[in-house]
Parts: sequence; C-alpha cells; structure tokens
Amino acid sequence: GQQLNQSPQSMFIQEGEDVSMNCTSSSIFNTWLWYKQDPGEGPVLLIALYKAGELTSNGRLTAQFGITRKDSFLNISASIPSDVGIYFCAGQIDYKLSFGAGTTVTVRA
Amino acid sequence: SAVISQKPSRDICQRGTSLTIQCQVDSQVTMMFWYRQQPGQSLTLIATANQGSEATYESGFVIDKFPISRPNLTFSTLTVSNMSPEDSSIYLCSAGPGRAEQYFGPGTRLTVT
Repeated sequence: GQQLNQSPQSMFIQEGEDVSMNCTSSSIFNTWLWYKQDPGEGPVLLIALYKAGELTSNGRLTAQFGITRKDSFLNISASIPSDVGIYFCAGQIDYKLSFGAGTTVTVRA
Repeated sequence: SAVISQKPSRDICQRGTSLTIQCQVDSQVTMMFWYRQQPGQSLTLIATANQGSEATYESGFVIDKFPISRPNLTFSTLTVSNMSPEDSSIYLCSAGPGRAEQYFGPGTRLTVT
C-alpha cells in the first residue's frame, strides 16, 4: 500500500478542548476517510471526503480533503470523554485503502 | 452504510493448524476486503475478494497462506493456514455498498500458541 504519515502519534487533551490531527502522503488519493477504533472493536467510519478542497462535518467532527489530494485533516471540537480512542486516516485509490499509523487520543476529565 | 458480522470473534489456536474466519454483509456488495491488524499497529490490506473470480492479494500475502472464498455477494471466508505465533493478529473484513467508503466488521482476534 501507499505510505501515509499521520500526526501526532498520540495526544492528551483536556475535556472541552478542540484538537486536530492530519495525514500526508507522497501519493494522490481519490478519497480520504477517517475512522475511529475503540478497544476490542473494528474501525468505525466517521467522515468520507470525495473531492479536493471538500470540507465536511459530522457533529463535532470536521475534516478536509487537501487541495493537492495528498493530505487531509480532522478536527474534533469541544472534546468529551467518549472521544478517547485511536483515529485512523485512510486514503483510497482503485478501491483499496491505505491507512495511517493512527493517533491515540486520551482525554483528561 | 453496511452492517458486517464476523465469526469467530476470537480464537486461540495451536501452531501448525488452520482457522477459517467468516464474514457476512447485510447487503449485496461487489467487493469485500480482508485486513490484518497486528498488535498496536495499523491496518494492512491482505486481499480483495470479488464474487466469481480469484482473490487479488497484496504484496507479502499469498494464496497458500491466506486462501479466500467468495461464494456470493454477501459472504466471504479467510483461512489462515499452517499458523505460527507471528500470525497472532486481529483479522478484519470490510465492504462498501457504493462510492468509496468501507465499513468494517468487529474483527477476529487470533492468538497462536
């Protein structure tokens, strides 16, 4: 698969804070997807982005598809304890997904 | 969206044996995918399973080790053959009803002793 660089690797956040994470690649993707994985579960799709420049929201989550098609970011606003988990970005081309290494989010109550 | 179930949810197997993992989708889909997630790691695509044709394997994965069946548009199996402790991982299947999004099953947690 393609190489995706996801940062930060981990973050500790205060409840109520806004946070951001991003993914970059040397390759172009047709679609960017963001997933959240809780312990013992499969990844859950949060947001899908289909066009360069697209900005999409899902509740407190906002994600953007970079203009160059090589990057994407995810913002979480007003963090709450249930935001704890591992967030993965994924780039899609030819129906195949390549995943970033994940961002582990821990919330301080 | 698509709802995906997997069986078994977990298993502990002895080295040298094989385990077949089942994946069921609640709607007909053209492509199904199998991933491996090693402990504390990200997801790696093993193969794409299309109904009516042989699975397409990614670099580093071979059919003899991971045979896949796709008998219809809602079901697929992945077999992990001749297992060793290095095969201890979470195995996930995914599918998507359209466009590009993929939905994942809950995973099968495999421990090889």
